[in-house]
Amino acid sequence: ILNVEQSPQSLHVQEGDSTNFTCSFPSSNFYALHWYRWETAKSPEALFVMTLNGDEKKKGRISATLNTKEGYSYLYIKGSQPEDSATYLCAFWNNAGNMLTFGGGTRLMVKP
Amino acid sequence: NAGVTQTPKFQVLKTGQSMTLQCAQDMNHEYMSWYRQDPGMGLRLIHYSVGAGITDQGEVPNGYNVSRSTTEDFPLRLLSAAPSQTSVYFCASSYSQGVDEKLFFGSGTQLSVL
Repeated sequence: ILNVEQSPQSLHVQEGDSTNFTCSFPSSNFYALHWYRWETAKSPEALFVMTLNGDEKKKGRISATLNTKEGYSYLYIKGSQPEDSATYLCAFWNNAGNMLTFGGGTRLMVKP
Repeated sequence: NAGVTQTPKFQVLKTGQSMTLQCAQDMNHEYMSWYRQDPGMGLRLIHYSVGAGITDQGEVPNGYNVSRSTTEDFPLRLLSAAPSQTSVYFCASSYSQGVDEKLFFGSGTQLSVL
């Protein structure tokens, strides 16, 4: 069973703050790293799929970077808004390519 | 498009009862999977399928059974419910098993086993 760790577990920020959190994964036999956004009472939705070392993806105020050699990915949110409040999940494809392993998530709460 | 549809949304079972959680997708996705969500543990893969007639075990398959007779449907069966199976269950699908294919999730089923 692969170990995918996310930190912090939860985060409270004020509206307008920029924030970032981390996903750590095994650095050997990397295939892909996914980020999902999960709002309360809704289903997780894909944000990014990253496959190459050094990849940077951006969607509006949210961006992500990937370092496959050291086994981590950062998710950044610039100028947080209350609607950014959600749990952010990362997930790692193992080297057999048949199982997407999820981290425990970072729960972000943005106060107006 | 309806996307991924799960039923029921809520279910309460007694220990030992059996039931089937339904999952259907209308996107012609080959890959379908079932996850369970427990507090502090992230989503854990129960079973998955890469196409009609093909299923395989995930991380936590014990106590669950699946079949894939059509591309659209991937039901999850609880054979004899136990309190440890109290969880939120998500069905997810993707176009293929490709590692860069994002998953589309259903709305979840909240199951309580008493």
